[in-house]
Amino acid sequence: NAGVTQTPKFRVLKTGQSMTLLCAQDMNHEYMYWYRQDPGMGLRLIHYSVGEGTTAKGEVPDGYNVSRLKKQNFLLGLESAAPSQTSVYFCASSYKWTGGGNEQFFGPGTRLTVL
Amino acid sequence: GQQVMQIPQYQHVQEGEDFTTYCNSSTTLSNIQWYKQRPGGHPVFLIQLVKSGEVKKQKRLTFQFGEAKKNSSLHITATQTTDVGTYFCAGPIGNDMRFGAGTRLTVKP
Repeated sequence: NAGVTQTPKFRVLKTGQSMTLLCAQDMNHEYMYWYRQDPGMGLRLIHYSVGEGTTAKGEVPDGYNVSRLKKQNFLLGLESAAPSQTSVYFCASSYKWTGGGNEQFFGPGTRLTVL
Repeated sequence: GQQVMQIPQYQHVQEGEDFTTYCNSSTTLSNIQWYKQRPGGHPVFLIQLVKSGEVKKQKRLTFQFGEAKKNSSLHITATQTTDVGTYFCAGPIGNDMRFGAGTRLTVKP
């Protein structure tokens, strides 16, 4: 099993450009999450999904959109990138809601730089 | 807003010394999780604590959840170079999952 995979691993964008980050998991998990990690700030939840076709906002959703068309995939979109979105993005998944104490499995991350 | 705070931000120890990181929440948590992230890596789940006053051990690691379920700690006995990394606590606040800023541990051989 590959676990949680993310593409791409690195990306450089110019301000105003758009892009989509792809997360895939092969563990048949219902729950998927997108986090951003900035120096000194830990991980912050952007959006999450409790199942195929559902999405919900996390702590820092502004400037991002997500879609969960298939159970195994969770896409994070940036419509008009801004320098403040320079960060490392992690996708994670869990069998049950992680807020209930359930382990999250993280992908390797995507390092995004917006110039 | 409600948040999870973690101290210290950095800790540098000599190999063989002990290490402790502390996590405090502004609100009562139903549970708390601990993760470890190696340099350049991704967070990896270590453990979850659910009960008030709970103590769990994993070899040299001891995890505690406070009686009021608002604080937690991770203690490593006799650190090794393999313990290097950033340790995060995380807990649910509302429908959100809040992480502490992490404690970055470096170990001098």
